Amino acid sequence: ILNVEQSPQSLHVQEGDSTNFTCSFPSSNFYALHWYRWETAKSPEALFVMTLNGDEKKKGRISATLNTKEGYSYLYIKGSQPEDSATYLCAFNPQGGSEKLVFGKGTKLTVNP
Amino acid sequence: GAGVSQSPRYKVAKRGQDVALRCDPISGHVSLFWYQQALGQGPEFLTYFQNEAQLDKSGLPSDRFFAERPEGSVSTLKIQRTQQEDSAVYLCASSLPWGRNYEQYFGPGTRLTVT
Repeated sequence: ILNVEQSPQSLHVQEGDSTNFTCSFPSSNFYALHWYRWETAKSPEALFVMTLNGDEKKKGRISATLNTKEGYSYLYIKGSQPEDSATYLCAFNPQGGSEKLVFGKGTKLTVNP
Repeated sequence: GAGVSQSPRYKVAKRGQDVALRCDPISGHVSLFWYQQALGQGPEFLTYFQNEAQLDKSGLPSDRFFAERPEGSVSTLKIQRTQQEDSAVYLCASSLPWGRNYEQYFGPGTRLTVT
């Protein structure tokens, strides 16, 4: 059974704080790692897709890194804003399978003004 | 352009009723996925189409669940004789090319409540 773990489960920060969360996945069977941002009552929005060990991607104040050898990815948010409040999901795509994604339970971020 | 749309957005069904959930993918997208998100969990894969072919239905929890995409565009997820454990958000996603490192574009989901 493929297991994707995300931590922490939830996080409350103040506006302006920088923060990061972790996604752990099986390192022996890796093909791709996806990060999504999901605001309440909206569609999950793709942030990053990463495939190579050592990948670093950035979109505005949000960035992500990937370590496929040890099976983890970090998502960083610099200078959090209230509009960053959302659930951040990571999803793992294993080798040898179909295109289906295996999701973690997500990290719920609340940014207080 | 238009994203993935799903209808209805909310559905309340009495136990034992049949329901049909619709997904309109982004025009031209080859791959279409259904996921189920129960309360407190991450989305879980149900089934996957490439055009009209259902290539993977390993995630469908029982034979009460059926999905189709007859013309390779719109898809319907049908649940027969709904049970309380079917209460969840059902997400549809589509992607353009075949390829596992491409983004999946999600709809807003249908929240199903079975009473």
